[in-house]
Amino acid sequence: EPEVTQTPSHQVTQMGQEVILRCVPISNHLYFYWYRQILGQKVEFLVSFYNNEISEKSEIFDDQFSVERPDGSNFTLKIRSTKLEDSAMYFCASSLPGVGYFGAGTRLSVL
Amino acid sequence: AQSVSQHNHHVILSEAASLELGCNYSYGGTVNLFWYVQYPGQHLQLLLKYFSGDPLVKGIKGFEAEFIKSKFSFNLRKPSVQWSDTAEYFCAVSTNTGNQFYFGTGTSLTVIP
Repeated sequence: EPEVTQTPSHQVTQMGQEVILRCVPISNHLYFYWYRQILGQKVEFLVSFYNNEISEKSEIFDDQFSVERPDGSNFTLKIRSTKLEDSAMYFCASSLPGVGYFGAGTRLSVL
Repeated sequence: AQSVSQHNHHVILSEAASLELGCNYSYGGTVNLFWYVQYPGQHLQLLLKYFSGDPLVKGIKGFEAEFIKSKFSFNLRKPSVQWSDTAEYFCAVSTNTGNQFYFGTGTSLTVIP
């Protein structure tokens, strides 16, 4: 069964550093998403991406965040200058549209 | 704004007990409804979904959910849980006006052998 893959599984970084979280969505999917889940809290929507541009974003997705689909297969989330409160599990998802298929997540720890 | 509420934060059951997890959403238009499961250390997986048609939806591993439009609810049920059902369960909603999923806070289910 096709699946969404995310790398790395765990990223540790210092506050103020840039991080790039990588995702490979399912190949024939058209919509791509990033969500995050702070420990003990709900899964929160960050951004959706369609037709090579952002289609929706939440208030969490400020100027520190950016997304890119650099080569037609990868979908990346960049955080320019990480803050302590960015520590969370980040999930990538893709859909046709319809059902969302989620990756295993990247745990980001900002120290 | 759309929201999804899951009333049970942590449920503990013995094996063979019946399960019902509540999910309510707030949105007046057409919705698509999902239950996802997250086993320890694993990613979110789709359990079942409702787009239209029969409001009683059957999913994998013996789970089912019933969409009650008048109550804005989509409760998850399983007649007899197993230890392997121990996981976090998330209700999610998507609407036809957007392409994002709105998640509930999740319910942690622990099944005691």
